[in-house]
Amino acid sequence: AQKVTQAQTEISVVEKEDVTLDCVYETRDTTYYLFWYKQPPSGELVFLIRRNSFDEQNEISGRYSWNFQKSTSSFNFTITASQVVDSAVYFCALSGDDYKLSFGAGTTVTVRA
Amino acid sequence: EAQVTQNPRYLITVTGKKLTVTCSQNMNHEYMSWYRQDPGLGLRQIYYSMNVEVTDKGDVPEGYKVSRKEKRNFPLILESPSPNQTSLYFCASSLSLALEQYFGPGTRLTVT
Repeated sequence: AQKVTQAQTEISVVEKEDVTLDCVYETRDTTYYLFWYKQPPSGELVFLIRRNSFDEQNEISGRYSWNFQKSTSSFNFTITASQVVDSAVYFCALSGDDYKLSFGAGTTVTVRA
Repeated sequence: EAQVTQNPRYLITVTGKKLTVTCSQNMNHEYMSWYRQDPGLGLRQIYYSMNVEVTDKGDVPEGYKVSRKEKRNFPLILESPSPNQTSLYFCASSLSLALEQYFGPGTRLTVT
């Protein structure tokens, strides 16, 4: 069975602060895929990034960056210079060989002006 | 426009009254799935389908049924809803589980 843990339930920051969201996963599969999704207050789910288990290269997209470390089974997400529009619930997710997609419980980020 | 649609968006019903939530995608995706979202629990997969006539249980399938008779449609059926099925439901589709999921707008269900 696979599992995704997002230990941080809520994070509150002031605008322009950096914020890092932790994601730890468990799987026995050698091939798996990790994802981050954003759910703004409007409720829709927005895809942010996908990473496969063979690609440990970190990625930066604008103010967003992701750090994937197989050695610690982590796929952490950092928002640099946060803005009010970053306020949302962020989900980490994992898919493997069993055709299932497992989500973490989510981290609510509140960015205060 | 590529999209996943769900209907209804909001539904209030009573215990035991059968209901169906429809889900349709126009992207010719093979993989479709249903999730429920509850506070503190994130999204939990109810059922998924890898192709027409191929469905399987997710992590929380009890009390739900699905069917996949056509590639584009994947309805969620609650034959005898109970209050513990009050939740926010999302349908999603993708070309494969290795790729991003496209989510519908969600259906908020209340069972009294």
